[in-house]
Amino acid sequence: DTGVSQDPRHKITKRGQNVTFRCDPISEHNRLYWYRQTLGQGPEFLTYFQNEAQLEKSRLLSDRFSAERPKGSFSTLEIQRTEQGDSAMYLCASSLGSVGTEAFFGQGTRLTVV
Amino acid sequence: DQQVKQNSPSLSVQEGRISILNCDYTNSMFDYFLWYKKYPAEGPTFLISISSIKDKNEDGRFTVFLNKSAKHLSLHIVPSQPGDSAVYFCAASVWRDDKIIFGKGTRLHILP
Repeated sequence: DTGVSQDPRHKITKRGQNVTFRCDPISEHNRLYWYRQTLGQGPEFLTYFQNEAQLEKSRLLSDRFSAERPKGSFSTLEIQRTEQGDSAMYLCASSLGSVGTEAFFGQGTRLTVV
Repeated sequence: DQQVKQNSPSLSVQEGRISILNCDYTNSMFDYFLWYKKYPAEGPTFLISISSIKDKNEDGRFTVFLNKSAKHLSLHIVPSQPGDSAVYFCAASVWRDDKIIFGKGTRLHILP
């Protein structure tokens, strides 16, 4: 399968714990996005990378959130000191990054903070 | 502020008829528009897109229409099939910015 892969699919954590999610994009894609989706909402942009460079971070991304994409391949999203409001589906997507290309999404990581 | 708006949370259409999903946007800088389809427990799947230099794009049963003056686009599905039952997200991006902004989605129910 050469699609976007996310791990884990589900994560349940206690409030205050740190969690880390991984995304493996489609291999030739140089752009990688992180989105968050809550019930009844569309995917909300968090951040994106062009190769290993993080180009933009949303105001939604508090200081407790950090994302990396070492060597421009896979990416990790870490949430420190999780809060119940962090419970959501975290979606990763990748694209070729040129004008007018669509992004392909992974199946997401569902985070539940208890 | 919601830059991409889908004002109908849900829509029910008889199988075989036309489904029309609507979307409005507020950012006049958007120049690329996309529709995604999402089934439960899966990530969104790209469906069809349109550049701002066009007013129509067709792919099989799916057609997207863009009215730039009204800042409005619509997705037509004809004929509607049971497998089309899903949540549909309208999305848009700005060329130089390139992040994709999504609407809240419309849940489409295809009735037998």
